Order: sequence, then structure tokens, then C-alpha cells
Amino acid sequence: AQKITQTQPGMFVQEKEAVTLDCTYDTSDQSYGLFWYKQPSSGEMIFLIYQGSYDEQNATEGRYSLNFQKARKSANLVISASQLGDSAMYFCAMREDRIQGAQKLVFGQGTRLTINP
Amino acid sequence: DVKVTQSSRYLVKRTGEKVFLECVQDMDHENMFWYRQDPGLGLRLIYFSYDVKMKEKGDIPEGYSVSREKKERFSLILESASTNQTSMYLCASSPFQPGTGGYNEQFFGPGTRLTVL
Repeated sequence: AQKITQTQPGMFVQEKEAVTLDCTYDTSDQSYGLFWYKQPSSGEMIFLIYQGSYDEQNATEGRYSLNFQKARKSANLVISASQLGDSAMYFCAMREDRIQGAQKLVFGQGTRLTINP
Repeated sequence: DVKVTQSSRYLVKRTGEKVFLECVQDMDHENMFWYRQDPGLGLRLIYFSYDVKMKEKGDIPEGYSVSREKKERFSLILESASTNQTSMYLCASSPFQPGTGGYNEQFFGPGTRLTVL
């Protein structure tokens, strides 16, 4: 079965610093996808970034980048120049690739990031 | 703009009551999902559906059932609510993607915080 592990329950970072949120995964599949979502205190889940298992380049979206190390089975999220609005819960998730039916996501436990002014 | 709506943001029910949580999406997505979110456990999949009247159990289906009579609507039912079902419930949808691989984001609703007394 697939599993996602986020080992940092909480992180505190000074504004404008870069921050790395850890995510490791376990799967025997060759084809899979990795997602990061942000959940502010309001509760909605906001998609941030996606990495496919066959993608050779690390994904980037503005201030977000995904440090994908396939051999180590890690998919860490890097936020550059953190802002107060980055304070939120962050979830790493892995998509099961199925031939038929819906493609499920398996989520990690989450990391609560707090940006200090 | 894509949208997933849930019938209530906050709900308080009594033990033994039958509870309906409704989710509607306007993106014509084939796949719909129900998760519960608990501190330290991340999001856990309860049930999902990949077509009208089709459903599959997720990781924690016990105590829940679902209904999907129309493509845009996916209901989660607690037949007899218990205090251990107090949680945040999140609905999501995604388009059908044949085969494996590729990007397939799930779009989330705002969540329903259910308290069972």
C-alpha cells in the first residue's frame, strides 16, 4: 500500500527566509504523481504544485518548487522568500495510478507552518 | 471558475441521529471523494465514486455510506452518528483521466465541521 510521511508536525520560520517541508513516500508503483496542498485557517485546500514520477525536471510554480529525489523517495516542498500569508497547514499527497476508476490520493499527516514577522 | 460546494460549514448533531452531508460540483467531473480530516492524521479517504451510482470504499468506510444519484452530487451519510465521527469532512472532485500518469488535480470544497454530541 502507498504511504506518505511528513515528519515535521510544526515549523516556525522568519519572514523572507526560505523553508523546506519534508515529504517521503513509499510505493512499489513506477507511475505515480505527487501533490502539495496548502490549507489556511479558513479550511479550504489549495493546490500548490505537482510532480509526475516520470518528470525529469523538478516542478516549479512561482515561489514554490518541489525537490524531487526519486531514488530516496522524497518530494520536499521549498518555499522561497516566505511571507506571512504562507502560514498554514501543508499536505503532501500521492496519487495512485489505476487503469480504471478514480485515481485516489493518499495524504500525509501535514505540517503546520508558521511565519514570524 | 471551478467550484465544489458543501451544504454546511458547521453542523452539530446528537448521537444516534442520521446525518447527511451534501457535496455539489459544477465542473462535470466524473470522480468525487469524501475525506475526513483529524489532527495528526491528515486526510483519510472514506468513500469515492467514479460514476453515477458507482462507489468504492476508501480506507475508513465503517459507519458511513454514500449516494451518487446525479453526476454533480455526492452525499455522505452517517446512519447513526457517534461521537467518534466528530471531525472535519472534505469533499473533492476530479475529472476522469484514462490510463496512468499525467496530472489530475482534485478540487476541494470548503469543508464541513461536524460535531456529534
